[in-house]
Amino acid sequence: AQKITQTQPGMFVQEKEAVTLDCTYDTSDPSYGLFWYKQPSSGEMIFLIYQGSYDQQNATEGRYSLNFQKARKSANLVISASQLGDSAMYFCAMRGTNTGFQKLVFGTGTRLLVSP
Amino acid sequence: GAGVSQSPRYKVAKRGQDVALRCDPISGHVSLFWYQQALGQGPEFLTYFQNEAQLDKSGLPSDRFFAERPEGSVSTLKIQRTQQEDSAVYLCASSLAAGRSSYNEQFFGPGTRLTVL
Repeated sequence: AQKITQTQPGMFVQEKEAVTLDCTYDTSDPSYGLFWYKQPSSGEMIFLIYQGSYDQQNATEGRYSLNFQKARKSANLVISASQLGDSAMYFCAMRGTNTGFQKLVFGTGTRLLVSP
Repeated sequence: GAGVSQSPRYKVAKRGQDVALRCDPISGHVSLFWYQQALGQGPEFLTYFQNEAQLDKSGLPSDRFFAERPEGSVSTLKIQRTQQEDSAVYLCASSLAAGRSSYNEQFFGPGTRLTVL
């Protein structure tokens, strides 16, 4: 079975600072993908970044980067230069061989609040 | 817009009523997913369609839950004899590909918030 653990219920950061949101995972799948989604108060899940288990380099997408440590089974999201609009729920998710690379398994999320 | 749309956005039902939630995926997307998100939790998988075929319904919590996608586009999630524990946000997502690729982005709709009184 696959499991995602997000141990930070809430995080606070000041505008323009960087913040790291933690994610650890557990899986027996030989191949898997890790995702981060943002969920603002409007409710829609917005895809941020993806990391494949065999990717040699950490993924980056603009201000988002994924600190992937395979041996530790962690996939932390780093947001640089935080903006007020970054305030939202953030979910780590994975998908792997055992689920046919289809359904996503999500963590419980971290609420990020960016203050001026 | 060209995104995933869901209707209604909000639904209040009395316990015991039947409800139907609609999802319009992005045109041409082969795969469609339903997730249930309880308050303060992450989304949990309910069911998955590839075109009109329901390939995985392992996440449906009971036989009161039923989903269909008869023509391979619009999907309906039906909940019969609603219970208070069914109160949640129901999210629909679609993706373009059906192949076994670990990168296959799912685009989510805004969700339907169901409240059962």
